[in-house]
Amino acid sequence: KQEVTQIPAALSVPEGENLVLNCSFTDSAIYNLQWFRQDPGKGLTSLLLIQSSQREQTSGRLNASLDKSSGRSTLYIAASQPGDSATYLCAANTGNQFYFGTGTSLTVIP
Amino acid sequence: DGGITQSPKYLFRKEGQNVTLSCEQNLNHDAMYWYRQDPGQGLRLIYYSQIVNDFQKGDIAEGYSVSREKKESFPLTVTSAQKNPTAFYLCASSPTDRASPLHFGNGTRLTVT
Repeated sequence: KQEVTQIPAALSVPEGENLVLNCSFTDSAIYNLQWFRQDPGKGLTSLLLIQSSQREQTSGRLNASLDKSSGRSTLYIAASQPGDSATYLCAANTGNQFYFGTGTSLTVIP
Repeated sequence: DGGITQSPKYLFRKEGQNVTLSCEQNLNHDAMYWYRQDPGQGLRLIYYSQIVNDFQKGDIAEGYSVSREKKESFPLTVTSAQKNPTAFYLCASSPTDRASPLHFGNGTRLTVT
C-alpha cells in the first residue's frame, strides 16, 4: 500500500524567506502528484499537479518538483508572505486512489 | 462557477442518531469521494464512486453508507454504528481520467455528543 510522508510536520519562517516542503512516497508507480493548501476549517485547494512524466511545475511563487525514482516531491515557495500560512498537503495518485500525507503546517511571521 | 458544495458546514447530532452529509458538484465529474480528516492524521478514504449507481468501500467504510443516484450528488450517511463519528468530512471529485486532479468541497464538521 502506498504510504506518503511529509516532513517537517510544522515550519515557522520569517517573511521573505524561501522555503522547501518535502513529500515522500513509497511506491513509485503513480500517475501524478498533487500539492494542496488547506486553511483552518476549510477544504483543500489545489496548488500544483505534476504528471508522472514531468519533472516540475510552476505557478507564480510556487514550484513543485517530482523525482519518481527516489519517491520524492518538493514544494518550493519563494519570498514567503504571511498569507502563505496554512497547511500544505501532498497526494500521490495511483490511478485507483489518492494517498495523502499528514501535511506540513507553515507559519510565516511578519 | 463550477465547484463542489458541501452542506451544512457544521452539524451537531446526539449519539445513536444517523445523519446525512450532502455533497453536490457541477463540474460534470464522474468520480466522487468521501474522506475523513482527524487532527494529526492524513485524509482517510471512506467511500468512492466512479459512476452512477456504483460505489466502492475505502479504507474506513465501517459505520458509513453512501448512494449515487445522480452524477451530481454523492450523499454520505454516518450511522449509529460508527464508533467515533466526530470529525471533519471532505467530499471530492475528479474526472475518471487517471491523470486528472482532485477537487474538494469546503467540508462539513460533524460533532456527535
